[in-house]
Amino acid sequence: EIVLTQSPGTLSLSPGERATLSCRASQSVGTNYLAWYQQKPGQAPRVLIYGASSRATGIPDRFSGSGSGTDFSLTISRLEPGDFAVYYCQQYDTSPWTFGLGTKVEIK
Amino acid sequence: RLQESGPGLVKPSEPLSLTCTVSGDSISLSSHYWGWIRQPPGKGLEWIGSIFHSGNTYYSASLKSRLTMSVDTSKNQFSLRLSSVTAADTAVYYCARHGVPYYDILNGHNWFDPWGQGTLVTVSS
Repeated sequence: EIVLTQSPGTLSLSPGERATLSCRASQSVGTNYLAWYQQKPGQAPRVLIYGASSRATGIPDRFSGSGSGTDFSLTISRLEPGDFAVYYCQQYDTSPWTFGLGTKVEIK
Repeated sequence: RLQESGPGLVKPSEPLSLTCTVSGDSISLSSHYWGWIRQPPGKGLEWIGSIFHSGNTYYSASLKSRLTMSVDTSKNQFSLRLSSVTAADTAVYYCARHGVPYYDILNGHNWFDPWGQGTLVTVSS
């Protein structure tokens, strides 16, 4: 199965700063079938990005995804208070669809 | 729009059964697959399996031998049954709709949106 490694494990930033999260796959993710999710405590995940770079409905444009092959990233251009959460990447190219272990974005 | 239901406590070696009730969308008319994902306490996410209204299923290989999914279009529900559970099956179980219709090859459909709120299932005697 494709193993996704997310880094860093924790990112400590202040509101207004830029966040860059990394997701590295153990083998190439075809057709850029990679999604990003945000999860807040006690809540279900919600999708932010699919197809590596397409924003899901209702997601603000401060969230952007990029990358291809084995290296992907999620960028939050200016952190807002509601953006402090855990972020997961998921590949859906090769079954089983797998998730990374997450990056926690916390307030510095 | 999706709501999980089922027992919160299951004894080891017994089966775990959960149901997801869908509202605001018709499973039988939808071109989306419907899936289950779980999250052990404090850990990451694991895809379990997915089902179409026709009954077509695909499962994670690691759970396939213990897993059965079914759909009841008359009740607009789909269900999960996991046999012979152990403490390792303790998790929050989420149901979710696949993100786009199955025929959307451009975007690929095996991502999940929206999700239910999740239900915690504890395996313990």
